[in-house]
Amino acid sequence: DADVTQTPRNRITKTGKRIMLECSQTKGHDRMYWYRQDPGLGLRLIYYSFDVKDINKGEISDGYSVSRQAQAKFSLSLESAIPNQTALYFCATSVAGGVDGYTFGSGTRLTVV
Amino acid sequence: AQSVAQPEDQVNVAEGNPLTVKCTYSVSGNPYLFWYVQYPNRGLQFLLKYITGDNLVKGSYGFEAEFNKSQTSFHLKKPSALVSDSALYFCAVRDRFSGGYQKVTFGTGTKLQVIP
Repeated sequence: DADVTQTPRNRITKTGKRIMLECSQTKGHDRMYWYRQDPGLGLRLIYYSFDVKDINKGEISDGYSVSRQAQAKFSLSLESAIPNQTALYFCATSVAGGVDGYTFGSGTRLTVV
Repeated sequence: AQSVAQPEDQVNVAEGNPLTVKCTYSVSGNPYLFWYVQYPNRGLQFLLKYITGDNLVKGSYGFEAEFNKSQTSFHLKKPSALVSDSALYFCAVRDRFSGGYQKVTFGTGTKLQVIP
């Protein structure tokens, strides 16, 4: 099994719908992150969490929310999806400080029509 | 504000030839530097990191990177490219002493194409 598992792998949804992307990890890492990847823009941080009681906004949090249900689970929600949220979404984990780098999931490709 | 630049959107190299993927960075203090690789339909995989010490860092799959403080660069290299090295490569930087959350900034990625 993968260290960081994202579900679903692909999703097509309609404008205005609420959608949740889920992430679970077996690394035992405290820190979890949600990133968005767009061609030519690299990865941009949406939200991050240092532990279950800690949630922080990243650089592009508008239109998104998150929930850290447990140390191993971190979900991302789009409350009312819009077409410019069409992107590849990655969950990542790290130990404190991140000096060992991040472990990424395989991504969720989201299309909003 | 910290930043990372990967000046080449794509690098083409013949199989067996040496490859270089360029990265320059800007941070207020001393950097932690990383390289990741992304294969199609996969997440990013950690390749190597520079934290401190020797400027030449060795990583996975025969890759290495050279930290050059005066040029603020961290170029990824491999002596002999393989077709299987074809992928998207990301450079990332983090300020060593930013306190609290140490933000990691990723570059925009360089597509490496190794031609048989």
